[in-house]
Amino acid sequence: DSGVTQTPKHLITATGQRVTLRCSPRSGDLSVYWYQQSLDQGLQFLIQYYNGEERAKGNILERFSAQQFPDLHSELNLSSLELGDSALYFCASSVGDSYNSPLHFGNGTRLTVT
Amino acid sequence: GQSLEQPSEVTAVEGAIVQINCTYQTSGFYGLSWYQQHDGGAPTFLSYNGLDGLEETGRFSSFLSRSDSYGYLLLQELQMKDSASYFCAVRGNPGSARQLTFGSGTQLTVLP
Repeated sequence: DSGVTQTPKHLITATGQRVTLRCSPRSGDLSVYWYQQSLDQGLQFLIQYYNGEERAKGNILERFSAQQFPDLHSELNLSSLELGDSALYFCASSVGDSYNSPLHFGNGTRLTVT
Repeated sequence: GQSLEQPSEVTAVEGAIVQINCTYQTSGFYGLSWYQQHDGGAPTFLSYNGLDGLEETGRFSSFLSRSDSYGYLLLQELQMKDSASYFCAVRGNPGSARQLTFGSGTQLTVLP
């Protein structure tokens, strides 16, 4: 168990809808990362927060947004959902923001858009 | 931007040694990491190389050559439980050195 908690585990929704994925980092970790993994694909970096501030942004769609709250949990909001958004969404956390900080991943939220 | 190349599949038998190579292109390099992911599971951190050379952790070792933009993960005494996907990842891009970019992954199958 990595200590990173993601909810919900599974989400099934229709095209055009909006969903919110939630992540609680490991105790003491200040950085939160979001990744998308489509079927048989690698991990695509979406966005990173450190202590409430956005630190790095990947190829995150404009329909997607995220934030990190004062208690350090994070939420990823996906709107105007399309079939292609179906994927496994991982949250990861790390202690700090240094280059050698290993990421600890949650078990992911499997999103199915029908 | 950043790009990483690793073989898509590798097959080996139990007890053998296997090497998974990774070449990368990035502007600004801040280390090469390796992660393991079992089917549908969470990726787990295996190793980090910030400097050239070999890092050993039990049955797993990781090597880095910054001059060649190349690294590898070496798995010894393979066990069935090592069947998983292995991802190399680098930090460093023009926008943010903190972004960790993953390769497409190598599916390792260990045969009895």
